[in-house]
Amino acid sequence: DSGVTQTPKHLITATGQRVTLRCSPRSGDLSVYWYQQSLDQGLQFLIQYYNGEERAKGNILERFSAQQFPDLHSELNLSSLELGDSALYFCASSPTAVGDTIYFGEGSWLTVV
Amino acid sequence: QKEVEQDPGPLSVPEGAIVSLNCTYSNSAFQYFMWYRQYSRKGPELLMYTYSSGNKEDGRFTAQVDKSSKYISLFIRDSQPSDSATYLCAMTAGSARQLTFGSGTQLTVLP
Repeated sequence: DSGVTQTPKHLITATGQRVTLRCSPRSGDLSVYWYQQSLDQGLQFLIQYYNGEERAKGNILERFSAQQFPDLHSELNLSSLELGDSALYFCASSPTAVGDTIYFGEGSWLTVV
Repeated sequence: QKEVEQDPGPLSVPEGAIVSLNCTYSNSAFQYFMWYRQYSRKGPELLMYTYSSGNKEDGRFTAQVDKSSKYISLFIRDSQPSDSATYLCAMTAGSARQLTFGSGTQLTVLP
C-alpha cells in the first residue's frame, strides 16, 4: 500500500458525460501528480500540483482540469468524454516539488461507452 | 525518437534466473532514475531510486546507471514467480517535475 488513495476504482460512463476522480496523497506529501495510462500510449503525465498551486502541465486535454484543495487532496475533472478517454488514471504524490520519489495510487479505471 | 527507450519484451525466464532489464535515454538533463514494478494494471510500485552513476543494491535488486552511455539497468537475482510483472524505468531532470517513463518490459518468471 503506497498510501495514495484514489476513488472511484472503476467507473463506466457514456460519451459526452463528465466525471470527477479523487485523490488523497500520502500523509505529508505536498505534490500531487495525475497520469493517464492507456494500452497504446503507456504512462503519460497530465498535470502536477504542489501545495495547492499548479506546477507543471503535460499532455492534458483542454476538456480535462484538475485542482488541489487546502487539505491537499486533488480532483481530476474529465468532461465531454470520448471513447478514447477510456484509460487508467493514476494519482501519485511526493514530498517535494522536484519529482524524485513519486508514489502511485492504485488508479481509477475509466470506461467510456 | 522517444526520450526513453525500453525493450517491451515479453521476457520469460525460469525461476532462479538473473534478469536484466534495460533502458536507454537521449536527454542528458535526466538526473534521477527510478524503476517501478506494475502488476496487471495496478498502480506502479517504486522499486529503486538513484541519482548517480554506478550501482545501487537493495535485496535481490540492483540498479545500475551509466550516465556517459545514457543507459540504465535493473538486475533481479534469484528471480521468483512473484516477480512476474511489467517493469517500468522512469527518469526526470532536476528542474522538471514529471517523470518520463519507458514503455515497460513484461517479465514472466516460470516456476
